[in-house]
Amino acid sequence: RKEVEQDPGPFNVPEGATVAFNCTYSNSASQSFFWYRQDCRKEPKLLMSVYSSGNEDGRFTAQLNRASQYISLLIRDSKLSDSATYLCVVNAPGGGNKLTFGTGTQLKVEL
Amino acid sequence: DTGVSQDPRHKITKRGQNVTFRCDPISEHNRLYWYRQTLGQGPEFLTYFQNEAQLEKSRLLSDRFSAERPKGSFSTLEIQRTEQGDSAMYLCASSSPGGGNSPLHFGNGTRLTVT
Repeated sequence: RKEVEQDPGPFNVPEGATVAFNCTYSNSASQSFFWYRQDCRKEPKLLMSVYSSGNEDGRFTAQLNRASQYISLLIRDSKLSDSATYLCVVNAPGGGNKLTFGTGTQLKVEL
Repeated sequence: DTGVSQDPRHKITKRGQNVTFRCDPISEHNRLYWYRQTLGQGPEFLTYFQNEAQLEKSRLLSDRFSAERPKGSFSTLEIQRTEQGDSAMYLCASSSPGGGNSPLHFGNGTRLTVT
């Protein structure tokens, strides 16, 4: 089983739609969780951290379910500029801040 | 620009040749990471440094790969006797000593093509 699993997509949605991505992780001792965004042929960039209580940043909402070991990202009112690959990222326990990335979910927002 | 910088941006080499990449992290960051990314995959951890100490290496890092960070500032990643399977994007990232919640800041990457 992969350490971090995501549906690769692509998710093709119309502009203005709400879209949700899920991600599961295998190591129950993982402590830190993130969503990164990666544009085509660019480096990954931090989108948001994911906190136990859930957190929101504008149109983006992240949720963590430790019992089921999954993380979600909800994007409301999607824009063309949201088209990218969204990487689910989990911090490996044991220190060092080594991050383990999922394969990413590709989102295409269309007119 | 005070972000993470990598050099070169692109490298094309013939199988069997050695290549070396350089990464300059954000100056106040003491942690430096190397990742590798192939098409359709997420970045895969290779190794990381805290200051000049290399604290962890992935099993992906065969004996043909070596990384250094001699003065705790810039780092180099060398691949000896390159193989076609080494073709990938090599990403460097750095983070501040803020524990597990410090985000990684990535450089633009070095795209390696082995012919």
